[in-house]
Amino acid sequence: QKEVEQNSGPLSVPEGAIASLNCTYSDRGSQSFFWYRQYSGKSPELIMFIYSNGDKEDGRFTAQLNKASQYVSLLIRDSQPSDSATYLCAAKTSYDKVIFGPGTSLSVIP
Amino acid sequence: GAVVSQHPSRVICKSGTSVKIECRSLDFQATTMFWYRQFPKQSLMLMATSNEGSKATYEQGVEKDKFLINHASLTLSTLTVTSAHPEDSSFYICSARDSYGNGELGNEQFFGPGTRLTVL
Repeated sequence: QKEVEQNSGPLSVPEGAIASLNCTYSDRGSQSFFWYRQYSGKSPELIMFIYSNGDKEDGRFTAQLNKASQYVSLLIRDSQPSDSATYLCAAKTSYDKVIFGPGTSLSVIP
Repeated sequence: GAVVSQHPSRVICKSGTSVKIECRSLDFQATTMFWYRQFPKQSLMLMATSNEGSKATYEQGVEKDKFLINHASLTLSTLTVTSAHPEDSSFYICSARDSYGNGELGNEQFFGPGTRLTVL
């Protein structure tokens, strides 16, 4: 079982819509979770982090964490073409390493 | 924000040669740095954890004699790919953890821009 799993996509949404990205993790001891955005050929950039159950909002982005279900999600409201990228979910595991999921490719259609 | 640099950004070498990649934290001290590798259309795979002043910890399946890591100071870690082969061609990314844990998330990792290695 992979430690962090995501749907690979591609996920296509029209401009202005809400994009919903999902992630599950296997290490129940994981405490911190991250969403990174990666453009092709570039290094990942941190969008959001969350470590408490519930929702965390930052601008157009909302991260949701449910530790009982071992589930993390990222919502992007009012999606823009510039949001088109691969989104990587990452978990800091109980052995203090950050493990990345395979990434979900998002395409926002103008 | 914290800045991590990598050098070179792109390198092409012949099979059998060795390549050194540098990772520097520019405005913070990093006792721990991480080296990742990313093949096309795949996610980042952790190769090793580099600790200042001690030996690196390698992930399962990563050859420590092939990927030499040196973390000689609080701002510099190097990865040397020895006797490189075409299958080593990849995007190598380092990240550094702020030793003093400033910010809401105490010890966030900051990523470098990556080094694209092509072995002919």
